[in-house]
Amino acid sequence: DGGITQSPKYLFRKEGQNVTLSCEQNLNHDAMYWYRQDPGQGLRLIYYSQIVNDFQKGDIAEGYSVSREKKESFPLTVTSAQKNPTAFYLCASKRGDSFSPLHFGNGTRLTVT
Amino acid sequence: GIQVEQSPPDLILQEGANSTLRCNFSDSVNNLQWFHQNPWGQLINLFYIPSGTKQNGRLSATTVATERYSLLYISSSQTTDSGVYFCAVNSGAGSYQLTFGKGTKLSVIP
Repeated sequence: DGGITQSPKYLFRKEGQNVTLSCEQNLNHDAMYWYRQDPGQGLRLIYYSQIVNDFQKGDIAEGYSVSREKKESFPLTVTSAQKNPTAFYLCASKRGDSFSPLHFGNGTRLTVT
Repeated sequence: GIQVEQSPPDLILQEGANSTLRCNFSDSVNNLQWFHQNPWGQLINLFYIPSGTKQNGRLSATTVATERYSLLYISSSQTTDSGVYFCAVNSGAGSYQLTFGKGTKLSVIP
């Protein structure tokens, strides 16, 4: 079955450590996205990528980094520079045109203490 | 950028009741989606509806693009309909970013 796989589902880290969240899709989608959701809030865009080896900052990119070396994969690194990293992180993908729908993975809950 | 407002922010329904959720947006759009986020955080696509009307079982949606709003109708609500409903839009040819509203939290009680 085609879909978007995020791993792990839950992640715990100590403050000051970098952590990488995985996102893989087998939908052959060109565009991939990372969103952050805080309790009781909507989704905010961190980074997005329209094609391999290219990505753009979203609304809240500070303290995060991404790479897009393969079409299927778009990992997100939460660095120690991110002041409030504890959140629910959602990866999404879509075809490479502005008229197609967005599809989401099941998310990773990151807790930093 | 485009602004998205959803109303009401919270809604409590008795099982079996009907409801209408609204999404207003500030600019013309070429992509509008409704999502349901279940209590486990999973986001489910409900409708891709930049214009017109669609129905899927007890759910239907209408987008009036010229008046910049979309409505999500839920009929004969069930407890499994509980969760948060998000509207998301993008505007402009070549725009790849979806902007999300803050959501409507629906609680259906038995």
